[in-house]
Amino acid sequence: QSPLTQPHSVSGSPGQSVTISCTGTSSDVGGYNYVSWYQQHPGEAPKLIIYDVHKRPSGVPDRFSGSKSGNTASLTISGLQADDEADYSCCSSAGGYMLVFGGGTKLTVL
Amino acid sequence: EVQLLESGGALIQPGGSLRLSCASSGFTFKTRSMTWVRQGPGKGLEWVSSIDGSGDSTYYADSVKGRFSISRDNYKSTVYLQMNSLRAEDTALYYCTKHLPGYKYYMDVWGKGTTVTVSS
Repeated sequence: QSPLTQPHSVSGSPGQSVTISCTGTSSDVGGYNYVSWYQQHPGEAPKLIIYDVHKRPSGVPDRFSGSKSGNTASLTISGLQADDEADYSCCSSAGGYMLVFGGGTKLTVL
Repeated sequence: EVQLLESGGALIQPGGSLRLSCASSGFTFKTRSMTWVRQGPGKGLEWVSSIDGSGDSTYYADSVKGRFSISRDNYKSTVYLQMNSLRAEDTALYYCTKHLPGYKYYMDVWGKGTTVTVSS
């Protein structure tokens, strides 16, 4: 199973919006609505911020939103804040219990 | 408070074996699927293995199939990862994760991880 494709890095200024893409195939992202996103600050464990493509766990601000079109999922962060600077990884079901992650995207808040 | 505490990571020679443990607390362990995820140095996250709540069903990434074995002891609220025939590419921080209640594909609690280094 090949990793999902994410941009290596993205950046934005405080208050702006950024979108991170996550491209897979019809065997993972395109085939299932089981896409999630994780936020990871340096030296910390990942944190679930989006599941089922667009749902947010309790406590995650609505500035974080998810969507999917075809084989590509997207995470949009609006109203960027300094604390949003982190690595973001997408994850998709690949059939059965199999999961595949993206390579991760480093978000820099300028 | 839900907690996951991994242990067992070490420096090990290629071809060696290691068993990781993950002690859980703060939730009804036997009802939750559990998953190991690893992250190599400077690399992205990689799904390794999952086990359902009863322990009857186990799943593995192709990269570890036949070498790793996941199991759980619901009396001890602990999940294990037995790793055999270790390779340099298995070097990583191994996270123990708990699944979001009612979902197969999402991990809502992560431990701090335990480091496995495979090197001669």
